[in-house]
Amino acid sequence: EADIYQTPRYLVIGTGKKITLECSQTMGHDKMYWYQQDPGMELHLIHYSYGVNSTEKGDLSSESTVSRIRTEHFPLTLESARPSHTSQYLCASSYISYEQYFGPGTRLTVT
Amino acid sequence: AQTVTQSQPEMSVQEAETVTLSCTYDTSESDYYLFWYKQPPSRQMILVIRQEAYKQQNATENRFSVNFQKAAKSFSLKISDSQLGDAAMYFCAYRSAMAGNQFYFGTGTSLTVIP
Repeated sequence: EADIYQTPRYLVIGTGKKITLECSQTMGHDKMYWYQQDPGMELHLIHYSYGVNSTEKGDLSSESTVSRIRTEHFPLTLESARPSHTSQYLCASSYISYEQYFGPGTRLTVT
Repeated sequence: AQTVTQSQPEMSVQEAETVTLSCTYDTSESDYYLFWYKQPPSRQMILVIRQEAYKQQNATENRFSVNFQKAAKSFSLKISDSQLGDAAMYFCAYRSAMAGNQFYFGTGTSLTVIP
């Protein structure tokens, strides 16, 4: 398995709370991505980064924000969680070897 | 933007039999990469197989092989000698070879393996 990590794996939190989902990779990949995926459904790109201090919004509108201060770290933050944010969040990274490597995901439930 | 279409939301196969999952894509580019990913229930998404568009030879990885038809923009995955562990969601993905190379995923095919 690839060296990409996500924490926490599971999170249940109340409405209005601020949360940060962590993603780290040890492969030196320059590109990193966040996807939102409901169980058994397609992936929706919400943010991506092509390097340090580079972040872009993806195809799916999201109220989350990201930062990329270090190559290996790409956290996603929700300032005020809502029940509509309940989903699985997948982090991925890629380099010149073309394919994306995925983390194990964070399953978020907002009550 | 490129689009990737998986027209089979669900498929099933008998254990030890062969199954083919379909994928088509739309692009005006000539240089790109195609992938099949596997996502078992509640487990990590992993790469199954990769195909470079400039290669005419179809990629194979053990029991997994692809049928890449560039002119038809078709990229199907064949799983031979299906095993119970093959049960998963399978996603087809496209990536441009150009800079700013975003990935585009299909909607997935859920594969059930019947013992």
